[in-house]
Amino acid sequence: EVQLVESGGGLVQPGGSLRLSCAASGFTFSSFWMTWVRQAPGKGLEWVANIKQDGSEKYYVDSVKGRFTISRDNAKNSLLLQVNSLRAEDTAVYYCARDSTLLGYWGQGTLVTVSS
Amino acid sequence: DIQMTQSPSSLSASVGDSVTITCQASQDITKYLNWYQQKPGKAPKLLIYDVSNLETGVPSRFSGSGSGTHFTFTISSLQPEDIATYYCQQYDNFPLTFGGGTKVEIK
Repeated sequence: EVQLVESGGGLVQPGGSLRLSCAASGFTFSSFWMTWVRQAPGKGLEWVANIKQDGSEKYYVDSVKGRFTISRDNAKNSLLLQVNSLRAEDTAVYYCARDSTLLGYWGQGTLVTVSS
Repeated sequence: DIQMTQSPSSLSASVGDSVTITCQASQDITKYLNWYQQKPGKAPKLLIYDVSNLETGVPSRFSGSGSGTHFTFTISSLQPEDIATYYCQQYDNFPLTFGGGTKVEIK
C-alpha cells in the first residue's frame, strides 16, 4: 500500500525557516517524480515544486523561488522541502504527492503557520 | 502560466441529480486535464485523468469530457458521499495549475 506521511510543520515567525519531510513507503520511491502542493486555509490547491527521480531536475512556482528548496534522499525514501524566509502568505497545509503530472497519491499534509 | 477557470464555485443539488462542473483553460492544453475530489479535512483524491479516464475504483457515475480549452466534469446521479470540493488541474505546461474549485453540497 502506498503511503506518504508528511511532518515538520508548525508555527514559525515571519522570516523563519522549517524543514518539511515526507516519508514514502509501499512503492519504489526512486522511480517516481515527487511533488509538493500547498493549500492555504479555506483556499484552493497550489503546486509548489517537484523533483525528478534522481534529483537532477527541480522546478518551483515563482512565488517560492529562492526561498524554498526541494530535495530527496532515495536511500531513505524521503522527500524534503526546506522553507526559508517564510511569509504570512506561505501559511498552508503542505502535501507531498507522488508523480509530477497525475497526482495519484497524496499524504495527509502538514500545517505551516507563519505568524508573529 | 496557464490559468484554469472553474465554474460554478459552488452548487447545491438533490440526491440523484446530475451535476456538471466546467473548467476553462487560458490556452490549449489538449488532453492534459485531471479532476480531483477533496473532502473536508482530507487530501485530494485523483478521480479522472487525461480528461475522461476514471482512476481505478472510482464509481462510473463520475465522468469527464472536453478538449483544447473547454472541459466538463459530471456526476450523473449525485450521492451523499459525493459532498466535496472538486478541482480541475492541467499538466500541459509547468507550473501545474488548478482551478479554483467547486464546492458541491446536497440541497
